[in-house]
Amino acid sequence: EPEVTQTPSHQVTQMGQEVILRCVPISNHLYFYWYRQILGQKVEFLVSFYNNEISEKSEIFDDQFSVERPDGSNFTLKIRSTKLEDSAMYFCASSETVGRTDTQYFGPGTRLTVL
Amino acid sequence: RKEVEQDPGPFNVPEGATVAFNCTYSNSASQSFFWYRQDCRKEPKLLMSVYSSGNEDGRFTAQLNRASQYISLLIRDSKLSDSATYLCVVEGGGGNKLTFGTGTQLKVEL
Repeated sequence: EPEVTQTPSHQVTQMGQEVILRCVPISNHLYFYWYRQILGQKVEFLVSFYNNEISEKSEIFDDQFSVERPDGSNFTLKIRSTKLEDSAMYFCASSETVGRTDTQYFGPGTRLTVL
Repeated sequence: RKEVEQDPGPFNVPEGATVAFNCTYSNSASQSFFWYRQDCRKEPKLLMSVYSSGNEDGRFTAQLNRASQYISLLIRDSKLSDSATYLCVVEGGGGNKLTFGTGTQLKVEL
């Protein structure tokens, strides 16, 4: 069964450093997403991406965040200058379509720890 | 009012019990509704989509009441392996982002 993959599984960084989280969506999917989950809290939407541009972003997704699809398979989330409060599990998701028939499939996540 | 509201639980039930979870959502323009399951420190996994007509998948039954903005999940004949957090998820209102509830924790015991 095709699945979304993410690397690394765990990233530890110092405050102020840049991190890049990587995702490989399911191959025939066209819509890509990033979500985050702070420990003990709910899953929160960050950004959606379609046709090489952001289609929607949340208030969390400020100028410190950016997304890119550098090639035909990878989808990345960059945090330019990490803060302590960026520590969370970051999930990538992808879907073939949107709307009623949409199912978003989630990757296993990258646990980001900012020290 | 929270966008998606769930009772956090935990619900501790014996194996074989029937358990029901409820969820309310605030955005009346929402279009699609789901139940996801999340195991500890793992990714959310789709359990089932929820339709106005109600739908069933084995031991799981989901219902949607658009007028009341209310979603439910019924699990019959609970198994130990059903122990997880059940996430009520709503999509739509102009975008395709998913809005998650905080989840309801289920513990099925011997």
